[in-house]
Amino acid sequence: NAGVTQTPKFRVLKTGQSMTLLCAQDMNHEYMYWYRQDPGMGLRLIHYSVGEGTTAKGEVPDGYNVSRLKKQNFLLGLESAAPSQTSVYFCASSDLADTGTDTQYFGPGTRLTVL
Amino acid sequence: ILNVEQSPQSLHVQEGDSTNFTCSFPSSNFYALHWYRWETAKSPEALFVMTLNGDEKKKGRISATLNTKEGYSYLYIKGSQPEDSATYLCAFAMKTSYDKVIFGPGTSLSVIP
Repeated sequence: NAGVTQTPKFRVLKTGQSMTLLCAQDMNHEYMYWYRQDPGMGLRLIHYSVGEGTTAKGEVPDGYNVSRLKKQNFLLGLESAAPSQTSVYFCASSDLADTGTDTQYFGPGTRLTVL
Repeated sequence: ILNVEQSPQSLHVQEGDSTNFTCSFPSSNFYALHWYRWETAKSPEALFVMTLNGDEKKKGRISATLNTKEGYSYLYIKGSQPEDSATYLCAFAMKTSYDKVIFGPGTSLSVIP
């Protein structure tokens, strides 16, 4: 079991460029989440998905789009990157059983720098 | 926007010292409170989840308590070791939207050998 994996691990973009971050999980979890982590601010939820084909906005969704075409994958897109999107991005997943009490399993993170 | 606060922001203790830190959350609409441990260059890993007022959880030298009426949880580490150095995050789930949690900013613990 690989758990939760993220691709790529590092990326440098220029302002205005686009990119997609891929999150994959092999635990058959229904719920998947994208967070960004900035110094002193903990983890902030960008978007999440409660199942294949569904997505919902989190706390800081502006400038990002997501898709969940397959249960095991959750993609985070930046259409036109801005320096404010420089951050470390974490993907997480959890089971359906009781999402409020279920543990979230995190990927290793993607460090994105936008110049 | 609901606030989950943690204090202190950072902490430096000597090996062998016991320590504790606090997570504060809205007392209304409570569903669950999670604690995660996050070591540098790794991913957050779950420590505890608590749901009932008065809950106490323990894992080795680490324990946690929960007071849902006043909206706080304490995390205790007894006899801190260098390997306990990490950021400790709490995360709050609300009854009305428990499909997601709100993370606090974390407490960074450094244990000096």
